[in-house]
Amino acid sequence: GAGVSQTPSNKVTEKGKYVELRCDPISGHTALYWYRQSLGQGPEFLIYFQGTGAADDSGLPNDRFFAVRPEGSVSTLKIQRTERGDSAVYLCASSPDGDYGYTFGSGTRLTVV
Amino acid sequence: GEDVEQSLFLSVREGDSSVINCTYTDSSSTYLYWYKQEPGAGLQLLTYIFSNMDMKQDQRLTVLLNKKDKHLSLRIADTQTGDSAIYFCAESITSGTYKYIFGTGTRLKVLA
Repeated sequence: GAGVSQTPSNKVTEKGKYVELRCDPISGHTALYWYRQSLGQGPEFLIYFQGTGAADDSGLPNDRFFAVRPEGSVSTLKIQRTERGDSAVYLCASSPDGDYGYTFGSGTRLTVV
Repeated sequence: GEDVEQSLFLSVREGDSSVINCTYTDSSSTYLYWYKQEPGAGLQLLTYIFSNMDMKQDQRLTVLLNKKDKHLSLRIADTQTGDSAIYFCAESITSGTYKYIFGTGTRLKVLA
């Protein structure tokens, strides 16, 4: 596609439920990133994929968060046992080679009630 | 640890210049970026500067980098109402993963 696509754009879930957020990067981009943006804050790094492998997952807050990119294109961020503090906008970005600036998607707004 | 700081708000009149400032901490950053975020939208890359440069100009945008003071600024000439948005600076952490540390953003309001 022409840009980074994220689905759904909005997700409301109950505390304790499991959610999956999807990212479809720009075709051919090998680097893929997930960030989380809380209200009034800048984005915070979660995880970086180079191809199929997670090259850096140091930003994942705890083991309830997990992400995959099995074929080196689409990525899914998975959150288990959601908590109200997980409410934020989850942003995905991709780039052809890791630097010179990424292209961000519009994000998924997750609300845990 | 790494930290990027920005002032929270800036208000200017249409046609004036805007200057948004940013300070960062990682002296080994290779690239520094400016992103724009409009309401309900993702972040749009505006421009970036390599750390061995002092200045970069791109149409109405001028980026100044003072590496000694770890200070970055974005000047928008002839500011328009369409420039109203939140502006984030970010530094690229040279750890091999190209992750960025973002500031908290500066909300620019352009008055007609």
